[in-house]
Amino acid sequence: AQSVTQLGSHVSVSEGALVLLRCNYSSSVPPYLFWYVQYPNQGLQLLLKYTTGATLVKGINGFEAEFKKSETSFHLTKPSAHMSDAAEYFCAVSESVSGNQFYFGTGTSLTVIP
Amino acid sequence: KAGVTQTPRYLIKTRGQQVTLSCSPISGHRSVSWYQQTPGQGLQFLFEYFSETQRNKGNFPGRFSGRQFSNSRSEMNVSTLELGDSALYLCASSLASAADTQYFGPGTRLTVL
Repeated sequence: AQSVTQLGSHVSVSEGALVLLRCNYSSSVPPYLFWYVQYPNQGLQLLLKYTTGATLVKGINGFEAEFKKSETSFHLTKPSAHMSDAAEYFCAVSESVSGNQFYFGTGTSLTVIP
Repeated sequence: KAGVTQTPRYLIKTRGQQVTLSCSPISGHRSVSWYQQTPGQGLQFLFEYFSETQRNKGNFPGRFSGRQFSNSRSEMNVSTLELGDSALYLCASSLASAADTQYFGPGTRLTVL
């Protein structure tokens, strides 16, 4: 069965510091990988996704992620944290054989310290 | 283009009642998925509808059901409500395939008393 692991349910960084949110997945077929962000009392907003092609993917708000097949990872990074980045982040995986069913990680709550 | 809309935004029910939630997808999107979000369990997949047919189903009891209409709008129904059904129910729409981005609505907050 497909599974997504996000290491660290809570991450705190100082404003201006590097943001690194980890995501590992298990999949027996080539996966499609997504990162979403959720602000309080709102739905999920897509940050970036990987389907095929270049393994380094750039998204909105300065975020990027790299698909590493050998490590089955899709970690999310941002060089310099901003106060507005404080939110819940979810990694998600879908597979071509599963229709459009997403498997989500448990989420990482990011706190940015001024 | 209008986003995914969900109605109602907030709902309070008592145990044993039933509830129907509605989702209107982005125009042109044929796939609608439903998720339950709770602090303890996170985001859990309920089911996905594509062209009025249930294409995928998560691991939820039969009290949870859904349907999709010819205009791609979808409804989700929960019968015999339990306290544990209190959650944020999110609807997402996409074009069709697993590679397509799912666009989420703001959710319906269901509270069961």
